[in-house]
Amino acid sequence: QVLLVESGGGVVHPGRSLRLPCAASGFTFSSSSMHWVRQAPGKGLEWVAAISYDGIDKSYADSVKGRFTISRDNSNNTLYLQMNSLRAEDTAVYYCARDRYLWTSYYMDVWGKGTTVTVSS
Amino acid sequence: DIQMTQSPSSVSASVGDRVTIICRASQGISTWLAWYQQKPGKAPKLLIYAASRLQSGVPARFSGSGSGTDFTLTISSLQPEDFATYFCQQANSLGTFGQGTKVEIK
Repeated sequence: QVLLVESGGGVVHPGRSLRLPCAASGFTFSSSSMHWVRQAPGKGLEWVAAISYDGIDKSYADSVKGRFTISRDNSNNTLYLQMNSLRAEDTAVYYCARDRYLWTSYYMDVWGKGTTVTVSS
Repeated sequence: DIQMTQSPSSVSASVGDRVTIICRASQGISTWLAWYQQKPGKAPKLLIYAASRLQSGVPARFSGSGSGTDFTLTISSLQPEDFATYFCQQANSLGTFGQGTKVEIK
């Protein structure tokens, strides 16, 4: 069974940091590009970041560039999102998602259930 | 940056109706477009990619068309399980989503 499980969410003060892991199973993780997508309460979807299958190529939305870092550990089948200098507007459900292809196509065919991050003082 | 605009924002329809959702890109994206379905409290589900290719396991009543800047998602005969919010996403330059279209029961 193909599965993505996010964790690490919680309540954090503005300006602080948080790291979100996403554990993958049921497929060859090292052969898939991966993404983070977020959804603020009652709002639409916002693509956040992507990483190539080998971890070399990374891309970010302008709203998080310079503050968030996507990374992966292919030996442990885990995707990460390091979030620094958090702001109230970063409050959202964060989903990790698998790219449909080896290369980064931005078509996401498998999604986790999400983890909630709340930035509040 | 490429902006994606969906219309309508919401649509009320009955079971068996044909429903069409429009997505417009702020610049040409060839056929680099996907459609997703999201139900409340759930993760999105990929329906269509490359503008018109049906994702494995998705019912054939869903279809996509278009290229360049104008795209459509059509549900040929709406089923009870299709009441949800639908998002388009461009895949030409990063992955911008449209604002969503909520399909509600009439």
